[in-house]
Amino acid sequence: EVQLVESGGGLVQPGGSLRLSCAASGFSFDDYAMHWVRRAPGKGLEWVSGISWNSGGLHYADSVKGRFTISRDNAKNSLYLQMNSLRPEDTALYYCARSLGVAGHMDYWGQGALVTVSS
Amino acid sequence: QSLLTQPPSASGTPGQRVTISCSGSRSNVGGNYVNWYQQLPGTAPKLLIYRNNQRPSGVSDRFSASKSGTSASLAISGLRSEDEADYYCAAWDDSLSGQVFGGGTKLTVL
Repeated sequence: EVQLVESGGGLVQPGGSLRLSCAASGFSFDDYAMHWVRRAPGKGLEWVSGISWNSGGLHYADSVKGRFTISRDNAKNSLYLQMNSLRPEDTALYYCARSLGVAGHMDYWGQGALVTVSS
Repeated sequence: QSLLTQPPSASGTPGQRVTISCSGSRSNVGGNYVNWYQQLPGTAPKLLIYRNNQRPSGVSDRFSASKSGTSASLAISGLRSEDEADYYCAAWDDSLSGQVFGGGTKLTVL
């Protein structure tokens, strides 16, 4: 069974940093591109970042470029999102998801990790 | 403001057919596959339609979708109360080199 489990969310002050993790199981992790997608309170889904299977392609939404860094460790079946210079507008539920190819459809999603940026 | 435009809301009565539109541009909908996601209240998004009109295993055939040019649409027939959810279209955008989502459509079953 495919499972994606996010962790690392929490409360952080504006300007602070946080690192999200996504543990994958039940499939060949290194066959898939991976993504972070978020949903802020009262808003819709927003794609945040995507990474190809071998980390050769890194892609970011303009809203997080220069502040967030996506990475993966295929040996550990894990995806990461390092979030720096956090802003209140980054408050959201962050989901990890997989796709065949970074431009492909996301067929499995985790349950999300909540990030709250507030003083 | 999303690059893909969806109506913020849609509604119908049980048994009806409803459609949700998604309008984009040549760099996203016009040049790439469109995918649709359903997000039920309090749950993670779920893939509903991929590659414009393909249903994943387990998705009811009451859900169908199409694409023409820079627009796409999702149709739900035989509306049921359990279809109340937020629906999103999405596509890869060649100009942004990233995925883009529509703003989402909240479907209410009256």
